[in-house]
Amino acid sequence: DVVMTQTPVSLPVSLGGQASISCRSSQSLVHSNGNTYLHWYLQKPGQSPQLLIYRVSNRFSGVPDRFSGSGSGTDFTLKISRVEPEDLGDYYCLQSTHFPNTFGAGTKLELK
Amino acid sequence: EVQLVESGGGLVQPGRSLKLSCVASGFTFNNYWMTWIRQAPGKGLEWVASITNTGGSTYYPDSVKGRFTISRDNAKSTLYLQMNSLRSEDTATYYCTRDQRTTAPFAYWGQGTLVTVSS
Repeated sequence: DVVMTQTPVSLPVSLGGQASISCRSSQSLVHSNGNTYLHWYLQKPGQSPQLLIYRVSNRFSGVPDRFSGSGSGTDFTLKISRVEPEDLGDYYCLQSTHFPNTFGAGTKLELK
Repeated sequence: EVQLVESGGGLVQPGRSLKLSCVASGFTFNNYWMTWIRQAPGKGLEWVASITNTGGSTYYPDSVKGRFTISRDNAKSTLYLQMNSLRSEDTATYYCTRDQRTTAPFAYWGQGTLVTVSS
């Protein structure tokens, strides 16, 4: 199985500041069709997860441009600029290149 | 508006069975894969099962393979998860998701249904 290593586990931030979350996979996430299926989700307290970024760098519908994704191969990053209160919660990366699909363990974005 | 409404969760004894349902609306159900994802209390997310849009193929992790069965009724826009031989480690909130497999998997989620396996 592909292991997704997410860091840090906890990320204290100031409102208006910037946050960066890393996700590394134990093997390449490049599919045989050339696409890379690495995605990012946010779970706000008491809510279901929501998709933020799909296929490395594509913002899902309605996601503000403060969120950006980058990376390739086995090394990926989610950046959040100008952090707002509604950005707080647990962030998860997911790979769907390989079965079983696997999530990172999560990063808790919280106020400093 | 895409809506996914799960039901069927509850308290069940170890070794028993339970069947979850998810009624979908707001989109053409038979155009999409569907997936169940679970989250144990206070823990992270775990992929549980996926099914293609026609129901012709299904996929499971080893943790549930042989015990859980995902199925769908496209005429009723309903997704199911039959869970047999339940264990305490299956205790979790189970989410139904719409799975745009080639672009944005798990793009839409239901509110979840809690399954508690305990004697």
